[in-house]
Amino acid sequence: AQKITQTQPGMFVQEKEAVTLDCTYDTSDPSYGLFWYKQPSSGEMIFLIYQGSYDQQNATEGRYSLNFQKARKSANLVISASQLGDSAMYFCAMTGVSGNNRLAFGKGNQVVVIP
Amino acid sequence: EAQVTQNPRYLITVTGKKLTVTCSQNMNHEYMSWYRQDPGLGLRQIYYSMNVEVTDKGDVPEGYKVSRKEKRNFPLILESPSPNQTSLYFCASTPGGAGELFFGEGSRLTVL
Repeated sequence: AQKITQTQPGMFVQEKEAVTLDCTYDTSDPSYGLFWYKQPSSGEMIFLIYQGSYDQQNATEGRYSLNFQKARKSANLVISASQLGDSAMYFCAMTGVSGNNRLAFGKGNQVVVIP
Repeated sequence: EAQVTQNPRYLITVTGKKLTVTCSQNMNHEYMSWYRQDPGLGLRQIYYSMNVEVTDKGDVPEGYKVSRKEKRNFPLILESPSPNQTSLYFCASTPGGAGELFFGEGSRLTVL
């Protein structure tokens, strides 16, 4: 079974600063994918970034980057130059070849960006 | 535009009154699934479907039914809703493999 752990309490971050959201995972799958989703107060789930377990380089998408440390089983999200619109709940998730495309989600990190 | 569409977006109902939340995707995805989101618990999978007429239970299937008669549609059925099914529900689809899940906008259900 796959398990995702997000343990940070709610975070306040100053506008324009970078923030790192921690995510650790556990799986026995040889091949898996790691995702981060953003959920603003309006409720929709917004895909941010994806990292495959065999990808050699860390994934980046604009201001989002994923710090993938396979040996430590961590997949931290880094948001650079925070904006007020980044205030949201952030979820780490994973799927594996044996998981029937099921995404296992962490419980989320609340981020509030302050001006 | 590629999308997953859920209806209704908001619903208040009473205990025991059957309801159906519809989900439709226009991306010809084989895999579809339903999740519920509750505070402090993240998203938990209710049911999933690998293809037409192929469905299976997720982590929290009790009190729910699904059907997959067509590739594009995957309705979630609550035969006899109870207050503990008050939640935010998401439908999602993916072409398969360890790829991105496309989410619907969510359906907020309240059972009184």
